[in-house]
Amino acid sequence: QVQLQESGPGLVKPSETLSLSCTVSGGSLNSYYWSWIRQPAGKRLEWIGRVYTSGSTNYNPSLKSRVTMSVDTSKKQFSLKLNSVTAADTAVYYCVRDGLDAFDIWGQGTVVTVSS
Amino acid sequence: EIVLTQSPGTLSLSPGESATLSCRASQSVSSSYLAWYQQKPGQAPRLLIYGASSRATGIPDRFSGSGSGTDFTLTISRLEPEDFALYYCQQYGSSPLTFGGGTKVEIK
Repeated sequence: QVQLQESGPGLVKPSETLSLSCTVSGGSLNSYYWSWIRQPAGKRLEWIGRVYTSGSTNYNPSLKSRVTMSVDTSKKQFSLKLNSVTAADTAVYYCVRDGLDAFDIWGQGTVVTVSS
Repeated sequence: EIVLTQSPGTLSLSPGESATLSCRASQSVSSSYLAWYQQKPGQAPRLLIYGASSRATGIPDRFSGSGSGTDFTLTISRLEPEDFALYYCQQYGSSPLTFGGGTKVEIK
């Protein structure tokens, strides 16, 4: 049974870089895209972008200038970096398996707060 | 960007009743690439329906999806206590992938 687990700092200072990793257990990274999705408190879910096991990426244009995603198949991890963060980036961040037909497996989510 | 509008915002129903949730897209969703998710407080969303009408693994048959083009519906027949939650639609036919604002199904 595939499981995803996010890890990373829960507090990031304004203008700095938010860095999160997601570890995949119970299955392979191959043949799937891996996405990051966030949810600010009380707001709708927002897709940040996806990375394939080859390293190819597809980002939401609204965040594209600040986002970098990567994958490390040897560690069974994929990562998100979001630079120049502001309070508007405060949210629950989810790592998700993206089967190109739906987001079928979700991590439990990690709260990231942007504050000095 | 495809904007998804869900209605109603809140649905107040009793256990045993049926719920009909609507999701309208600002432009046609290609190949019915429309999914529905259930989210409970403090939990990650759970996939219910993909391809507009296919149930995900382990989802009870009281959940059904229908629709095409710009209008989609999630129907929950015979509401069980565990079905009272927030429901989101999501399109994955066009980048950026987008979600609706959600419909809350609450106990009347």
